[in-house]
Amino acid sequence: ETGVTQSPTHLIKTRGQQVTLRCSSQSGHNTVSWYQQALGQGPQFIFQYYREEENGRGNFPPRFSGLQFPNYSSELNVNALELDDSALYLCASSPGAGTSTDTQYFGPGTRLTVL
Amino acid sequence: KQEVTQIPAALSVPEGENLVLNCSFTDSAIYNLQWFRQDPGKGLTSLLLIQSSQREQTSGRLNASLDKSSGRSTLYIAASQPGDSATYLCAAMDSNYQLIWGAGTKLIIKP
Repeated sequence: ETGVTQSPTHLIKTRGQQVTLRCSSQSGHNTVSWYQQALGQGPQFIFQYYREEENGRGNFPPRFSGLQFPNYSSELNVNALELDDSALYLCASSPGAGTSTDTQYFGPGTRLTVL
Repeated sequence: KQEVTQIPAALSVPEGENLVLNCSFTDSAIYNLQWFRQDPGKGLTSLLLIQSSQREQTSGRLNASLDKSSGRSTLYIAASQPGDSATYLCAAMDSNYQLIWGAGTKLIIKP
């Protein structure tokens, strides 16, 4: 049990819709990272937030956006959903700054299906 | 661009055997190499983290090694048990402090 929670557990959307996924980090963890994991593949880094500012971004289009709040919660928003967005979305928190090499603690993920 | 590869993609062994999972990476400029476990439909659990200056880390029946010069890491599991069945992923932290992941090895331990 990492203390990182995500909601919802599962979600079904249709192409073109918008979705918001939520994550609650461990208390005291100032950094949150979001990953997309397609079936049978390793996670792909989407972006990272440190103290409410985006601190790094992977190779994802601008329709993937995020927010981090002072209460250690964060959101991943995806606009104009595409079929290829179907995946497990994972958030991970860590205690250090974004440039830290600390271990990340993962939530259980949100399974998004786009029809 | 860092690329991480895990071979084999799947492995099935009888209970009690010792086994080795392999991870290779193309760029030796890494901060650390991490091994995770993922159970079906679940998130990731950190197993071992090897800093770039270290050669190995041990936790219980698990031992992970790192050879930056050859771009390889191995995860050794001693006396395997059915509860070890899961997908094991390795990830290299690159120069931008981002984790670059392999696709994982699906391990099945047969009772």
